[in-house]
Amino acid sequence: DTGVSQNPRHKITKRGQNVTFRCDPISEHNRLYWYRQTLGQGPEFLTYFQNEAQLEKSRLLSDRFSAERPKGSFSTLEIQRTEQGDSAMYLCASSLFRGTGELFFGEGSRLTVL
Amino acid sequence: DAKTTQPNSMESNEEEPVHLPCNHSTISGTDYIHWYRQLPSQGPEYVIHGLTSNVNNRMASLAIAEDRKSSTLILHRATLRDAAVYYCILMNYGGSQGNLIFGKGTKLSVKP
Repeated sequence: DTGVSQNPRHKITKRGQNVTFRCDPISEHNRLYWYRQTLGQGPEFLTYFQNEAQLEKSRLLSDRFSAERPKGSFSTLEIQRTEQGDSAMYLCASSLFRGTGELFFGEGSRLTVL
Repeated sequence: DAKTTQPNSMESNEEEPVHLPCNHSTISGTDYIHWYRQLPSQGPEYVIHGLTSNVNNRMASLAIAEDRKSSTLILHRATLRDAAVYYCILMNYGGSQGNLIFGKGTKLSVKP
């Protein structure tokens, strides 16, 4: 399968713990995006990268959140000192800059903070 | 960011056409109209996009009003697999390309 891959698919953690999610985009895509989605809401933009450069961060991305894309390929999203309000689906998407603008989404990583 | 307005929910019968409306009265001249859908427990998937002219692809058709202040996604024959949340989104390629701003979308139910 050559689509966007996210791991782990499910994560249950206790409040205060750190968690990390990984996203492997479609190989030739140079843009990578992170979104968060809670029940009944549309996805909310968190941040995006063009190659290894983080070009934009949402105000939703508090200082407990950090995203990296060190070699312009896979990306990680880390949440430190998790809170119950962080429980959500974390979606990754990739696209080709100067393409049609179509974003290809992964199936998401569901986080539950107890 | 430009905003869109969609009905919260719609119902359709299987094998009948479905017209999903979207209002975007503040659209700018460089905004493209994109539609994505999200099936249960999956990430969103691209459906179709357009700028001014109507567009057709294997999944759907997009009808854009002449003043571009509204558009309609048309599923020609709804199937049970089309039950999903459909998002109408404006994307400005001149700005933060790809930074899609999702609303709540329209939840489409398809009855057999």
